[in-house]
Amino acid sequence: ETGVTQTPRHLVMGMTNKKSLKCEQHLGHNAMYWYKQSAKKPLELMFVYNFKEQTENNSVPSRFSPECPNSSHLFLHLHTLQPEDSALYLCASSQVSGDEKLFFGSGTQLSVL
Amino acid sequence: RKEVEQDPGPFNVPEGATVAFNCTYSNSASQSFFWYRQDCRKEPKLLMSVYSSGNEDGRFTAQLNRASQYISLLIRDSKLSDSATYLCVVILTGNQFYFGTGTSLTVIP
Repeated sequence: ETGVTQTPRHLVMGMTNKKSLKCEQHLGHNAMYWYKQSAKKPLELMFVYNFKEQTENNSVPSRFSPECPNSSHLFLHLHTLQPEDSALYLCASSQVSGDEKLFFGSGTQLSVL
Repeated sequence: RKEVEQDPGPFNVPEGATVAFNCTYSNSASQSFFWYRQDCRKEPKLLMSVYSSGNEDGRFTAQLNRASQYISLLIRDSKLSDSATYLCVVILTGNQFYFGTGTSLTVIP
């Protein structure tokens, strides 16, 4: 079992659909993140949660809505996305003020038609 | 100015070659440093931490130069399986992670 599990691995959706990405970390970490990686571009930080509280929203459009019900689970709710939102979405977790390494889930490859 | 700068490459090297990547960071208060490896369409995975004293893990050597604000990764005796993108990562404080754009490496038979 990997430390950070993400589902689904692949997602194709239309612009009017609503879908959610799910992430669960089994590492006992206290911080979770959503990153976006478009083709041939660097990782872009979207959201950060420390101890379930959102501490960063990196100017992300409101069609992306995160939810962190507890320190082990993180969701990204998607609504009326645009084709340019097609990308690899990566969840990650870390232990703030401890061993600060970042561990990633396997990502969701999202295609918006 | 970007927090972390990396030469994107690509680096194309023959098997058995030695290759080095550098990365510079802008904030002298940065605290922790890492190299990650990312294969095509996969998630980044931690390769190694980087310490001022330098550290080695098999064929991989990482070095930190705080005075010049750069970190390096040296790969000796390159294998085909080393082909990937190598990401430089810097932590400013707590959970402020800054990623470089990545350096693409292809090892050629």
